[in-house]
Amino acid sequence: EAGVVQSPRYKIIEKKQPVAFWCNPISGHNTLYWYLQNLGQGPELLIRYENEEAVDDSQLPKDRFSAERLKGVDSTLKIQPAELGDSAVYLCASSLGQVGYNEQFFGPGTRLTVL
Amino acid sequence: AQSVTQLDSQVPVFEEAPVELRCNYSSSVSVYLFWYVQYPNQGLQLLLKYLSGSTLVESINGFEAEFNKSQTSFHLRKPSVHISDTAEYFCAAHSGSARQLTFGSGTQLTVLP
Repeated sequence: EAGVVQSPRYKIIEKKQPVAFWCNPISGHNTLYWYLQNLGQGPELLIRYENEEAVDDSQLPKDRFSAERLKGVDSTLKIQPAELGDSAVYLCASSLGQVGYNEQFFGPGTRLTVL
Repeated sequence: AQSVTQLDSQVPVFEEAPVELRCNYSSSVSVYLFWYVQYPNQGLQLLLKYLSGSTLVESINGFEAEFNKSQTSFHLRKPSVHISDTAEYFCAAHSGSARQLTFGSGTQLTVLP
């Protein structure tokens, strides 16, 4: 069974440029998460989807970040414009449901460097 | 809000020695606790979890963790580590009220030959 797929694995851009990350969850997983992981820190939730609905986006900086999951399967996270402080690893995870004990499966992440 | 504290950012240990990685969480009426492991250039993988029942939970590769409600702790232990255990370990908690997984800042375990 394929795991959570993310692309690209690495991205280097200049500040003020736009950038997009893509995630394909495990087949059948209706819950999808985007996390931000700064160096030396644990992941922090940005947004959670139940199928195509964003049910928790309270920690997403909406002035520059946006996300979509149009058909309830794969998802895209966008930053426009990127700032130096956005340099981090962006993780995508999926699970069968949003109940707390459902295991979240993580992708390898996209490492973003903003110059 | 739920918070998770991992007291040690780095733990070096010699091969075949025992190790304990410490984790404390903020008190909650009901909480699920997890340990994830992250190998270099890979995603996080679930190592073990506590949902309810027995306070001692084990993983398939020799790690164990004990849920201690009075001390609000969920420390991870292994009696004899291997070089291949070198990785970053994250403790996480999920409480019903927060409805999200909160991670600690991670502990880098380095096993030395």
